[in-house]
Amino acid sequence: EVQLVESGGGLVQPGGSLKLSCAASGFTFSGSAMHWVRQASGKGLEWVGRIRSKANNYATAYAASVEGRFTISRDDSKNTAYLQMNSLKTEDTAMYYCAGLREDYWGQGSLVTVSS
Amino acid sequence: DIQMTQSPSSLSASVGDRVTITCRASQGVRNDLGWYQQKPGKAPERLIYGASNLQSGVPSRFSGSGSGTEFTLTISSLQPEDFATYYCLQYNSYPQTFGQGTKVEIK
Repeated sequence: EVQLVESGGGLVQPGGSLKLSCAASGFTFSGSAMHWVRQASGKGLEWVGRIRSKANNYATAYAASVEGRFTISRDDSKNTAYLQMNSLKTEDTAMYYCAGLREDYWGQGSLVTVSS
Repeated sequence: DIQMTQSPSSLSASVGDRVTITCRASQGVRNDLGWYQQKPGKAPERLIYGASNLQSGVPSRFSGSGSGTEFTLTISSLQPEDFATYYCLQYNSYPQTFGQGTKVEIK
């Protein structure tokens, strides 16, 4: 059974940092690109970024809204992807999903709240 | 960035109705488009990939069509479990972009 389990969400002050983790199981994680998608409460889906596999040089891509503040990484030995979020803003408050979009694998989401 | 414009933003329909949702891309995305269904409190689930290919396990009442800049998701006979929000996603170029969503409500 495929599972993606996000963790690391919580409350952080504006300007702060947070790192989300996405633990994968049930599929060949090392061969899959991993994406992060977020959704503010009552709003639509927003693609945040992705990291490709080692075979594709771990290439990353980001939405303009997070470029330069967020960094996606992965540790294939741990079957885990990460989303490092720096210089957080109130508008980054959202549920963050990790996903293998090619395969349509999704986690349950991790809630990030940026508030003073 | 490619903008995806979905219409309508919401609709009310009855069980058994035929429902059509449209997604328009600001520039051509070939057929690199998926359709997703999301229910409250749940992660999205893909219905269609490659604009017209039915995801495994998805009922055949769902269909997708289009290419380039105009795409359509059709539900041929709306069922109670289909009341949800639907999104298109273009994956032709980065950043990938979602449409703003269409909420399908019970009439």
